[in-house]
Amino acid sequence: RKEVEQDPGPFNVPEGATVAFNCTYSNSASQSFFWYRQDCRKEPKLLMSVYSSGNEDGRFTAQLNRASQYISLLIRDSKLSDSATYLCVVRMDSSYKLIFGSGTRLLVRP
Amino acid sequence: DVKVTQSSRYLVKRTGEKVFLECVQDMDHENMFWYRQDPGLGLRLIYFSYDVKMKEKGDIPEGYSVSREKKERFSLILESASTNQTSMYLCASRITAAGGGFTEAFFGQGTRLTVV
Repeated sequence: RKEVEQDPGPFNVPEGATVAFNCTYSNSASQSFFWYRQDCRKEPKLLMSVYSSGNEDGRFTAQLNRASQYISLLIRDSKLSDSATYLCVVRMDSSYKLIFGSGTRLLVRP
Repeated sequence: DVKVTQSSRYLVKRTGEKVFLECVQDMDHENMFWYRQDPGLGLRLIYFSYDVKMKEKGDIPEGYSVSREKKERFSLILESASTNQTSMYLCASRITAAGGGFTEAFFGQGTRLTVV
């Protein structure tokens, strides 16, 4: 079983739609959680960290459920520019390693 | 802005060649990483370094070695390139924050290596 699992998609949604991605992690010692965004043929960039209480940044909301070991990302009012691959990333306590999911691809159509 | 620069965007090498991938960061970050990214497998950690001359194996170190002689530079070496090392290689750097936490990782633009 992969340490971090994501639905690969693609999720194909119209502009203005709300879309949600889930990510599950296998190690309960995981302590830090992130969502990265990767555009086609570009490097990953941090979208947002995920905090225990949940956090929001504009149209983006991240949630953490430690009991069920999953993280979610909600995108409201999708824009064409949101089309990208979204990577779920986990770090265990006291570890240098970031563990990446294989990504969920989002396509927003006009 | 943090800048992580990889020496090449595209590289084509022959089987058996020794290949050097260079990565330089300009923000005095202690931690540097080499990943490879393959479809369906995501990013997999090859090696990382948390200080000059320090290195640790990641999840898939076989066939690779690294060098960190200076803080700003982290090199990935393919001792004898093979076709299964055809991939996108991504370098990243990150600072250790006060209290021992970690900030976000900044990535270079990637090197697409093809071994023929």
